[in-house]
Amino acid sequence: DSGVTQTPKHLITATGQRVTLRCSPRSGDLSVYWYQQSLDQGLQFLIQYYNGEERAKGNILERFSAQQFPDLHSELNLSSLELGDSALYFCASSVRGGDGYTFGSGTRLTVV
Amino acid sequence: QQQVKQSPQSLIVQKGGISIINCAYENTAFDYFPWYQQFPGKGPALLIAIRPDVSEKKEGRFTISFNKSAKQFSLHIMDSQPGDSATYFCAAKETSGSRLTFGEGTQLTVNP
Repeated sequence: DSGVTQTPKHLITATGQRVTLRCSPRSGDLSVYWYQQSLDQGLQFLIQYYNGEERAKGNILERFSAQQFPDLHSELNLSSLELGDSALYFCASSVRGGDGYTFGSGTRLTVV
Repeated sequence: QQQVKQSPQSLIVQKGGISIINCAYENTAFDYFPWYQQFPGKGPALLIAIRPDVSEKKEGRFTISFNKSAKQFSLHIMDSQPGDSATYFCAAKETSGSRLTFGEGTQLTVNP
């Protein structure tokens, strides 16, 4: 157990729907990162939050949004889902900067 | 644009052999180079990391070799074991940021 908790582990939904992925960072970590892992794109950085504020944005689609709450857990919202959004979504956390990321086990999203 | 290029895509090694995975980067602002190990169904786990001020770092059977002038770094796994069979990712982080840019991954199989 890495200490980073992601729920749900698996999610199957239809095109056009909206889902929410949840992440609880490791105790004491203030930064949360979201990554998408697909077969043809590898691990792609989506977005980072630090202590509730957005810090960096990567290849995140406009249909996707995220937030970090006062208790430091984070949610990634994916809307108007398309078949191509099927992927593994990982959350990672770190104390402050990017050194020593700890990843969760991921949420496998399947859009049918 | 792929900023970190990793090779080979897949690698098969006999038990007891040496596994070598290579990465090259272009962005001279990168200052932290970690390697992650990922087993099926799990998130990537930090294996070993290096900064550009050293040319080599060793932890147990795992060694990173770093060539700053060539902008290349590699992971060497000595005495490879079947339990090392996993996907390995190199990554890099800029001085000013905290996002990690990942290579495409190498699927390592160690035959008994």
